[in-house]
Amino acid sequence: EAQVTQNPRYLITVTGKKLTVTCSQNMNHEYMSWYRQDPGLGLRQIYYSMNVEVTDKGDVPEGYKVSRKEKRNFPLILESPSPNQTSLYFCASSLWGQGPYEQYFGPGTRLTVT
Amino acid sequence: AQSVAQPEDQVNVAEGNPLTVKCTYSVSGNPYLFWYVQYPNRGLQFLLKYITGDNLVKGSYGFEAEFNKSQTSFHLKKPSALVSDSALYFCAVRDSSGGYQKVTFGTGTKLQVIP
Repeated sequence: EAQVTQNPRYLITVTGKKLTVTCSQNMNHEYMSWYRQDPGLGLRQIYYSMNVEVTDKGDVPEGYKVSRKEKRNFPLILESPSPNQTSLYFCASSLWGQGPYEQYFGPGTRLTVT
Repeated sequence: AQSVAQPEDQVNVAEGNPLTVKCTYSVSGNPYLFWYVQYPNRGLQFLLKYITGDNLVKGSYGFEAEFNKSQTSFHLKKPSALVSDSALYFCAVRDSSGGYQKVTFGTGTKLQVIP
């Protein structure tokens, strides 16, 4: 089954404790992206990657890091989480042909930073 | 820069009536436009897209959208609403100008279909 998986689905942590949210896709997609969803703000793009070792900032990259060492994986790293990073996070992937096509989304990770 | 506006936070429609969820956009070049739906406690699902060609695009679950270049709009429509259509709908845009890879989403419109 074609899918995007994220782990963990729920995470409660404390300020400053480094964490990683994993994302994996099995569709051989070139483009992968992280979004955060906040009430009234919709989805905002954090980082995206066009292919292995190629990443770039989205609209809200501050406080986040990513890496793309393998085509299927695109982890999101919060090195020193703060309460304003409490949010619902989505990973997505798509084919790439002169730009991303429709994206396939993971189930989401609900992060709470206290 | 690119942007998307969904002017209505919520749309209420009676079951069986036609529905419209509005979206307007701004890009420098030509737009790639998308609609996604999010059901409670789920990820987003792709509904339809406009890349080029016919202005009326048909998608999943009986939804369609009309691309209007002069009004920079891409409104989502369905002739007859179902209670099961109740969900959160997002419009998204990407500028087709060379080298532009960001995708911008709107703030979402909650569709409530009343039985």
